[in-house]
Amino acid sequence: EVQLVQSGAEVKQPGESLRISCKGSGYSFTSYWINWVRQMPGKGLEWMGTIDPSDSYTIYSPSFQGHVAISADKSISTAYLQWSSLKASDTAMYFCARRRPVDGSVYYDYWGQGTLVTVSS
Amino acid sequence: DIQMTQSPSSLSAYVGDRVTITCRASQNIINYLNWYQQKPGKAPKLLIYAASSLQSGVPSRFSGGGSGTDFTLTIGDLQPEDFATYYCQQSYNTPRTFGQGTKVEIK
Repeated sequence: EVQLVQSGAEVKQPGESLRISCKGSGYSFTSYWINWVRQMPGKGLEWMGTIDPSDSYTIYSPSFQGHVAISADKSISTAYLQWSSLKASDTAMYFCARRRPVDGSVYYDYWGQGTLVTVSS
Repeated sequence: DIQMTQSPSSLSAYVGDRVTITCRASQNIINYLNWYQQKPGKAPKLLIYAASSLQSGVPSRFSGGGSGTDFTLTIGDLQPEDFATYYCQQSYNTPRTFGQGTKVEIK
């Protein structure tokens, strides 16, 4: 069974660093890109970026470039989303999702359960 | 970035109704359009990919159509479990932008 299991909820103060994780199982982790999606409270879905776990090649949305870092450790089938200095505006639910290619396009067929990040002083 | 605009933002419907949600892209995305369903507190779930292909396990009352810039998601015979928020997403290029969502509520 394909699963993406994310790390638990976090409560942090502004200026702190944070890394959340997404562990894949039940499939070849290096065969599918992992994507990160943000959902701020009561708002819609925002695509943040993606990583190819086979070589850690990443693509970021311009809206998030420079604010977060996406990485992966293929030896433990885990992708990461990292902040060096959190802001209150980073408070959101973060989802990872597996990218499946089809006929030149892609879709996200499996999702993690989400990690709630709360940044507050 | 490609802008995705859904309409309406919300709608109320009865169980058994037929509902159509529209998604418009700011440029031609051919058929690179996906639809997701999200329930409160849950991860999104893929319904339709490549504009009209039904994801495995999704009920056949869900259907997608369109090409170019204009797309639709239709739910025939609305069921209680279909009350949720629906998002379109373009997969033509990065950033892979989503529509703002359409909330389907019980009338």
